[in-house]
Amino acid sequence: SQQGEEDPQALSIQEGENATMNCSYKTSINNLQWYRQNSGRGLVHLILIRSNEREKHSGRLRVTLDTSKKSSSLLITASRAADTASYFCATDEGGKLIFGQGTELSVKP
Amino acid sequence: DAGVTQSPTHLIKTRGQQVTLRCSPKSGHDTVSWYQQALGQGPQFIFQYYEEEERQRGNFPDRFSGHQFPNYSSELNVNALLLGDSALYLCASSRLAGFQETQYFGPGTRLLVL
Repeated sequence: SQQGEEDPQALSIQEGENATMNCSYKTSINNLQWYRQNSGRGLVHLILIRSNEREKHSGRLRVTLDTSKKSSSLLITASRAADTASYFCATDEGGKLIFGQGTELSVKP
Repeated sequence: DAGVTQSPTHLIKTRGQQVTLRCSPKSGHDTVSWYQQALGQGPQFIFQYYEEEERQRGNFPDRFSGHQFPNYSSELNVNALLLGDSALYLCASSRLAGFQETQYFGPGTRLLVL
């Protein structure tokens, strides 16, 4: 079963623009993690935000978490063609990750 | 420092056959979790091994079984393969049963069942 739902399902932007992806979930969480996947290959961990944190930054990435609304967002600033990938949020349920269906991001040069 | 490794990278089997996939965790990690990712979907949790025991299991039939060895590496076995078992199988490693820990994924094994 999928817990998270990403929105939008697909996003197409120009290089240099910002990309925002949203994730909603249903149950209480320990933490929420964002991953990137290129062309059906392995998942690359981007950022982990704990349930008591509201915002976290890593390079060009900014993640927010609103536990009252059971939602999170991932912002990629100044996007590059190399950011083209699928992005997944995953909630941590006692060490078991529950993934959404992902957002497919396309960054055009 | 080697990351998570998986073998083989690709595999083709026919219905009814059995398959074994292998995973070596990242150095310093003691927990291995397995996920199945169908085309166009997010990964789904199969099970997790910690201290050589299955600690958690997702909604997968008994045809899916696993093992963890003393060196923390792990195997995923699938018996009586069905066409619907065709997917990318991902292994993830972490510390301490993955609780509040980042899970690091391997490159995956792509299984095609004909």
